[in-house]
Amino acid sequence: DAGVIQSPRHEVTEMGQEVTLRCKPISGHNSLFWYRQTMMRGLELLIYFNNNVPIDDSGMPEDRFSAKMPNASFSTLKIQPSEPRDSAVYFCASSPQRGSRYTEAFFGQGTRLTVV
Amino acid sequence: LAKTTQPISMDSYEGQEVNITCSHNNIATNDYITWYQQFPSQGPRFIIQGYKTKVTNEVASLFIPADRKSSTLSLPRVSLSDTAVYYCLVGDKWGNQGGKLIFGQGTELSVKP
Repeated sequence: DAGVIQSPRHEVTEMGQEVTLRCKPISGHNSLFWYRQTMMRGLELLIYFNNNVPIDDSGMPEDRFSAKMPNASFSTLKIQPSEPRDSAVYFCASSPQRGSRYTEAFFGQGTRLTVV
Repeated sequence: LAKTTQPISMDSYEGQEVNITCSHNNIATNDYITWYQQFPSQGPRFIIQGYKTKVTNEVASLFIPADRKSSTLSLPRVSLSDTAVYYCLVGDKWGNQGGKLIFGQGTELSVKP
């Protein structure tokens, strides 16, 4: 398996524009996480899906952020409208089903978002 | 969620053994201790997990005393490439809060030549 795949790797956009980040989790993993990382706030969990269903979105900063997981192999994180303070590295991670003999979560390479 | 406390930063030199201790006084009976490593510009990656006593793999060793209120990640003979942030998580095998994976501030290890 190629691991968790995120796209794009880098995104530069103007304030007010819509941004869509994409994630392909590892096949067979049933948990998916979106994180945001900044120097000031560290690694923050934004939303957690289990079996394609959003379980906890309490980390989503505000209504400008939305996430979907239409199927087990694809998820998106959308920011509309984007603001300069959204500039960060966004990571997607997937992990195996609870009860599996495998326990580790795998992270993608991240998307570095810059909003100017 | 068991609260974890670990040093914010540590410095070391190449070839030395590095021990990073994590305190988790309110660890629950069924909780595991998991460590992740994050290199600059990359996502975290799992390095080791244990429940009690000692666990060793090709990357590190994890020492857990009998009371399990703390744990120590040991990196033998570090090199410059071990410069990274190390996170300690306490919870079940797959996450540390109801299936979620919550990261604290971690320990920033800087290895100097």
